[in-house]
Amino acid sequence: AQSVTQLDSQVPVFEEAPVELRCNYSSSVSVYLFWYVQYPNQGLQLLLKYLSGSTLVKGINGFEAEFNKSQTSFHLRKPSVHISDTAEYFCAVRTRGTDKLIFGTGTRLQVFP
Amino acid sequence: SQTIHQWPATLVQPVGSPLSLECTVEGTSNPNLYWYRQAAGRGLQLLFYSVGIGQISSEVPQNLSASRPQDRQFILSSKKLLLSDSGFYLCAWSVRTSWGETQYFGPGTRLLVL
Repeated sequence: AQSVTQLDSQVPVFEEAPVELRCNYSSSVSVYLFWYVQYPNQGLQLLLKYLSGSTLVKGINGFEAEFNKSQTSFHLRKPSVHISDTAEYFCAVRTRGTDKLIFGTGTRLQVFP
Repeated sequence: SQTIHQWPATLVQPVGSPLSLECTVEGTSNPNLYWYRQAAGRGLQLLFYSVGIGQISSEVPQNLSASRPQDRQFILSSKKLLLSDSGFYLCAWSVRTSWGETQYFGPGTRLLVL
């Protein structure tokens, strides 16, 4: 069965510092991978996705993620965060041939001035 | 472009009362539709999904039900709400393509059962 693990429930950082939000998944077959962001009291917004091709994926708001098949990871990175990046970030995986997304429990990114 | 709407945005209901949350999608045809619940401080739990009119799959047995009376309308209902039904309810849509499928989420409905 698929599962997604987001290793950090909270990540506090100072503004302009780099950040990495970790995501590992377990699946015995090929997968699609996603990162979503949720601002307070809002729905989820797609940040980026890996479907195929280049393992380094660039998304909106300066975020990028790298698919590492051997480590079954899809960590999210940003070289310099802003206060406005404060939000909840969700990693999700979908096995090819299925319709369902499996979400991690989320990582709360808190950016301090 | 496609848009997804949910209403109401917030709802406060007493225990034992009925529930009806609506989700509509514009700008696409025959989407897959999903209902998720997000409890406070937790991740997303898939409740129902639908691949077509009248076709509903339930992921978690509970006192909620879903219906899809029209292609782009998805309704979440309950006859009698429980305290544990409180949470943030998100609707999502997707369209399957040859390279995969991406889900897009609505703004959500915050439900508080008292």
